[in-house]
Amino acid sequence: AQKITQTQPGMFVQEKEAVTLDCTYDTSDPSYGLFWYKQPSSGEMIFLIYQGSYDQQNATEGRYSLNFQKARKSANLVISASQLGDSAMYFCAMREGRGYSTLTFGKGTMLLVSP
Amino acid sequence: GAVVSQHPSRVICKSGTSVKIECRSLDFQATTMFWYRQFPKQSLMLMATSNEGSKATYEQGVEKDKFLINHASLTLSTLTVTSAHPEDSSFYICSASKDRGVGNTIYFGEGSWLTVV
Repeated sequence: AQKITQTQPGMFVQEKEAVTLDCTYDTSDPSYGLFWYKQPSSGEMIFLIYQGSYDQQNATEGRYSLNFQKARKSANLVISASQLGDSAMYFCAMREGRGYSTLTFGKGTMLLVSP
Repeated sequence: GAVVSQHPSRVICKSGTSVKIECRSLDFQATTMFWYRQFPKQSLMLMATSNEGSKATYEQGVEKDKFLINHASLTLSTLTVTSAHPEDSSFYICSASKDRGVGNTIYFGEGSWLTVV
């Protein structure tokens, strides 16, 4: 079974509009972290936002916010006031509570922002 | 600024030759680094976990003898693609975490585009 599911292969949004990128996860570990990364065409992975499984409040970082619904095991990324530079691939990832465990990635969502 | 640096960013090599990619943590010691491979329009696939001072742990299906990983120091891990073939052409990217624990951000290098001709 997939640990991270991103059901939207592609999303379109107009500049200045808000957009939500979906992510659901599966784990039996009570301690885990959820991450979102942005990957532009250059290939670098840019860290956007983090949500811990024990965090009571939804994470926010500037125009990025994470809609964390623990019971539903979802961690959707909300980008407010989209900009042309937001066009990129977005990956949701999870890290489970084991020492130096790595990230497990979803398949990604390609976001295109139009003028 | 970048905390994990990867070099080279792009490399073209002839089929049958070997290519080395370096991954450095710039301002922290990384006991563990991770190497990923990414095909076009696909997600990152974990290849191996690089452990300083010991052998790397490879994911199922990854050839140990083809993708040699060496973690010689706490700030440097290298991936060597041996006897490269065109099917090895891909984007390779490394990552490292400053500390243990799920909440510690994993930083990525800039990635390396490998083209085997």
